[in-house]
Amino acid sequence: KNEVEQSPQNLTAQEGEFITINCSYSVGISALHWLQQHPGGGIVSLFMLSSGKKKHGRLIATINIQEKHSSLHITASHPRDSAVYICAVRRGGADGLTFGKGTHLIIQP
Amino acid sequence: NAGVTQTPKFRVLKTGQSMTLLCAQDMNHEYMYWYRQDPGMGLRLIHYSVGEGTTAKGEVPDGYNVSRLKKQNFLLGLESAAPSQTSVYFCASRGPAEETQYFGPGTRLLVL
Repeated sequence: KNEVEQSPQNLTAQEGEFITINCSYSVGISALHWLQQHPGGGIVSLFMLSSGKKKHGRLIATINIQEKHSSLHITASHPRDSAVYICAVRRGGADGLTFGKGTHLIIQP
Repeated sequence: NAGVTQTPKFRVLKTGQSMTLLCAQDMNHEYMYWYRQDPGMGLRLIHYSVGEGTTAKGEVPDGYNVSRLKKQNFLLGLESAAPSQTSVYFCASRGPAEETQYFGPGTRLLVL
């Protein structure tokens, strides 16, 4: 079983819909990251969470440390939100990230 | 301020050939990482470095070597390339007091 599990793997929605992507992890962590990867490959950090909730524009990320679960929400989705969204965790120290397999999101006009 | 750059962007190798991928960062970051991304697998950590002159193994280190002779550069070497090393390779860096990892644009490697 992977240490970081994301769902769904693929998601197609209509413009304007509320989007939720889930991430569960099975190890102790110091931080959880949400990353975005557009076609063409570049990876951009969206959020880093160690507790609670963060909001940036139309994106909201939450984490429940006790349940080892995080969600990424997109409000008023737009075709430009189409990308792969990746959840990753860091256990501590200088450790690298352990990644989920990603959620491929397509927002249709 | 270029951030994290990777050289080359794309390379085709024959089985058994060697090559070195270069990662450079201009943010004075202590920590640097090499990941590989394969379809259906997600990104996986190959090797990492916590400072100049130091390296450590990650999740999938076999078949790779690394060096960090200068703080700003982290090199990933393939001594004898195998088709299983066909992948997209990403470098990342961060400072010890910050959480955000900054990724390079990736190197697409095809081993025939």
